[in-house]
Amino acid sequence: DAKTTQPTSMDCAEGRAANLPCNHSTISGNEYVYWYRQIHSQGPQYIIHGLKNNETNEMASLIITEDRKSSTLILPHATLRDTAVYYCIVRPSGGSYIPTFGRGTSLIVHP
Amino acid sequence: SAVISQKPSRDICQRGTSLTIQCQVDSQVTMMFWYRQQPGQSLTLIATANQGSEATYESGFVIDKFPISRPNLTFSTLTVSNMSPEDSSIYLCSVNFGNSGANVLTFGAGSRLTVL
Repeated sequence: DAKTTQPTSMDCAEGRAANLPCNHSTISGNEYVYWYRQIHSQGPQYIIHGLKNNETNEMASLIITEDRKSSTLILPHATLRDTAVYYCIVRPSGGSYIPTFGRGTSLIVHP
Repeated sequence: SAVISQKPSRDICQRGTSLTIQCQVDSQVTMMFWYRQQPGQSLTLIATANQGSEATYESGFVIDKFPISRPNLTFSTLTVSNMSPEDSSIYLCSVNFGNSGANVLTFGAGSRLTVL
């Protein structure tokens, strides 16, 4: 079970890009990087995942370094509603592996 | 993705009582997961509930305290027994759901439990 390291908290101005880093230096070859977020008083929500290529969807972009030891989640134009705790998790895709959640990064988007 | 309904969304309970939380999924899933989130903390997996077999509990969680039922492929319950203030937490139901080849966890909104 590869562990991840994230900053405890970050802040970002509304309308600016929020770049959330994650270190996963012990990731193995078959493990994907997943990002979830948890808005206050709600259940966690899937954002994006990737193996080694950069990925983009309607919510965010995921940039994974070539050595796969770290990644960055990018919210290109952060809004106040993006204020949440963001969790970076590594896990194999498929199968019955259950991810464990660390403390995540508390992102505060301010006006 | 799957849609998960949990109830109650919140409750206030007295010490020593028990509360059952229900989780309904809009599609059939093999495994359902129960997590606990204590105030200010991250999520901790309590157990995995498989239909037709006993739940598998994580270290630190026991069946007598957190009995789980899984009567069919779309429903599960978690009971928090003999509650104490330390059980005040958000309890979350989750399922693994394929999403364009991904293995994504989908969560219910959670049940916020306060024990007095």
